[in-house]
Amino acid sequence: GAGVSQSPSNKVTEKGKDVELRCDPISGHTALYWYRQSLGQGLEFLIYFQGNSAPDKSGLPSDRFSAERTGGSVSTLTIQRTQQEDSAVYLCASSLMAGVGETQYFGPGTRLLVL
Amino acid sequence: GENVEQHPSTLSVQEGDSAVIKCTYSDSASNYFPWYKQELGKGPQLIIDIRSNVGEKKDQRIAVTLNKTAKHFSLHITETQPEDSAVYFCAASKGTGGFKTIFGAGTRLFVKA
Repeated sequence: GAGVSQSPSNKVTEKGKDVELRCDPISGHTALYWYRQSLGQGLEFLIYFQGNSAPDKSGLPSDRFSAERTGGSVSTLTIQRTQQEDSAVYLCASSLMAGVGETQYFGPGTRLLVL
Repeated sequence: GENVEQHPSTLSVQEGDSAVIKCTYSDSASNYFPWYKQELGKGPQLIIDIRSNVGEKKDQRIAVTLNKTAKHFSLHITETQPEDSAVYFCAASKGTGGFKTIFGAGTRLFVKA
C-alpha cells in the first residue's frame, strides 16, 4: 500500500512569504505528526493530531506556525512570514493511533529553503 | 525540559565489525524507546524498539539494551555491512502528560568495505 506522502518535495521561497506544506498519511491512520529537521540535526517535534484535534501544540516554534487537519486525513502545515531560520526539512509521520509503542511511518519530507 | 542525548555523532567502522550507539534521556516517565534509520533523501524508518519493562531486545544483527535506573539505552549492530551506512536516531516517548517523541541528534554511521 501507499506510504506517507508529502508535497512539495522541495520549496524555495523568499523571506516574508507564506508557505503551505502538505501531508497525506497512510490510509486508516488516525494519528499524524509534524517534525522539523535542521541540517545535521535530529528531529524536532512540532505538533501531532489524533483525528482532527491537536492535543499538543507545544512544539510549534512561534505563532507564525500553524497546522490543521480536516476529515481526519490530509494535514497542512503553514508557515507565515517565513524567515531564513525556517529553512529545514519538514517531516510528516502517521501511525494507526497516537500512543506509546505505535510505530510512526515517515514521509520523505519537504525541503524548505528560505532565501 | 525533556532531552535525549546521543553519542557519538559520527561513527566509522570496518565491515564486519560491531557498532554501538548510546543515548541518555532526562524524563524518567519515558517508557518507550524506538530507534530509526534514515538514508539519504528519505524519511526515518523504525528498525527496532524497546519498552521500559524489558532490558534487552534483539532482532537478527540488531539489539537494543535499556538501563532505566541510569536512564540510558544503546543500539548494537553486529557484523556490519556497507548497507548499514546511514544516520541513526534514538528517541524516547511517554504516554502520560501528553504524547510526544523526543529524538536524539543522530549518529552518522559509515561502514567501510
